Amino acid sequence: KQEVTQIPAALSVPEGENLVLNCSFTDSAIYNLQWFRQDPGKGLTSLLLIQSSQREQTSGRLNASLDKSSGRSTLYIAASQPGDSATYLCAVRFPTSGTYKYIFGTGTRLKVLA
Amino acid sequence: SAVISQKPSRDICQRGTSLTIQCQVDSQVTMMFWYRQQPGQSLTLIATANQGSEATYESGFVIDKFPISRPNLTFSTLTVSNMSPEDSSIYLCSVQGGYDTQYFGPGTRLTVL
Repeated sequence: KQEVTQIPAALSVPEGENLVLNCSFTDSAIYNLQWFRQDPGKGLTSLLLIQSSQREQTSGRLNASLDKSSGRSTLYIAASQPGDSATYLCAVRFPTSGTYKYIFGTGTRLKVLA
Repeated sequence: SAVISQKPSRDICQRGTSLTIQCQVDSQVTMMFWYRQQPGQSLTLIATANQGSEATYESGFVIDKFPISRPNLTFSTLTVSNMSPEDSSIYLCSVQGGYDTQYFGPGTRLTVL
């Protein structure tokens, strides 16, 4: 069964800290992996997309890495800010024929303290 | 990018009734997706809706319970039928954008009493 797990479930850090969120998946044969941010009442926002052939992607203070062989991805947030407080979701697209189905992790709820 | 709106944003319903959720996209898209997020859980795909064809449902979801319409390339509806408290969830509409990026609507928060 294809599963996506995120650790930790919740994280509270003081402003300015660098932090790492973890995502693991059970099947190394993935198509791509996306990191999303979910704010209450605002749906999901795509942060970074890593294709199967890529090792990492960067956007501003965010860096996502992908290690297919170990079934892991990390989202690195540099110099965290209170505005980064949200739930971060990892989603993996497995090469299931004929669909664009993503399997989502349960998320990491991040709180950055001012 | 794609901008997606959903109606209603939230609703409180009585068990046994039905609710239709609307999803509007600001551009034409081939595929639209409906997800459910139960309290404290991750997102689960309900079905994929293509314009002009029947929706494709994931295991555990059936058309009688979650009928979907896709009348054109910018609009879709999901109906939650004969609701029970277990249907209390956030329902999200999503579309596939360029470079495989997925865009999501703001969600519909449903509470069934």
